[in-house]
Amino acid sequence: NAGVTQTPKFQVLKTGQSMTLQCAQDMNHNSMYWYRQDPGMGLRLIYYSASEGTTDKGEVPNGYNVSRLNKREFSLRLESAAPSQTSVYFCASIYDRSSYEQYFGPGTRLTVT
Amino acid sequence: GNSVTQMEGPVTLSEEAFLTINCTYTATGYPSLFWYVQYPGEGLQLLLKATKADDKGSNKGFEATYRKETTSFHLEKGSVQVSDSAVYFCALIVGGGNKLTFGTGTQLKVEL
Repeated sequence: NAGVTQTPKFQVLKTGQSMTLQCAQDMNHNSMYWYRQDPGMGLRLIYYSASEGTTDKGEVPNGYNVSRLNKREFSLRLESAAPSQTSVYFCASIYDRSSYEQYFGPGTRLTVT
Repeated sequence: GNSVTQMEGPVTLSEEAFLTINCTYTATGYPSLFWYVQYPGEGLQLLLKATKADDKGSNKGFEATYRKETTSFHLEKGSVQVSDSAVYFCALIVGGGNKLTFGTGTQLKVEL
């Protein structure tokens, strides 16, 4: 099992450019999450998907969109990148509410200039 | 709402020293509590958990006890190693939800 994989690992964008961060899990997990990690802020939830076909906003959804393409894949899109979106982005997944343990991907380091 | 407060880092210790990282929480409801660890350049991984009051979670020599009366879940280890250098996050989930609330993280540096 690869667990949770994310692509790309690193990305530099100019303000106004768009991009999609990809996430996939091979653990047959139902719920998937996107977080951003900023110094002194811990991890903040951007969007989550409790099950295939559903998505919900987290704490900081503005400027982002998500797609739960199928049970395995959950993508995060920045339509018009801003310097405030410079961050490290983590995808995570969990089997169900009783499992508690979230499995995290290795992260994508995004810089917007 | 729910929140987690951790001690600020970095915490710098010599190898074999005793470690405590403080964590306190506020929650609307009855939370389950977690410590996650992030090694350099990696994602987070679960270190230990406790799901009810007075439970003690333990793993890899680390321990934390769920103290409802003080709303705390402090992380301890009796003898740290250089390989324990990482960022440690305290987190909680309330009730039937599956959205974690994280603290800001505490960086631990262990030196020889």
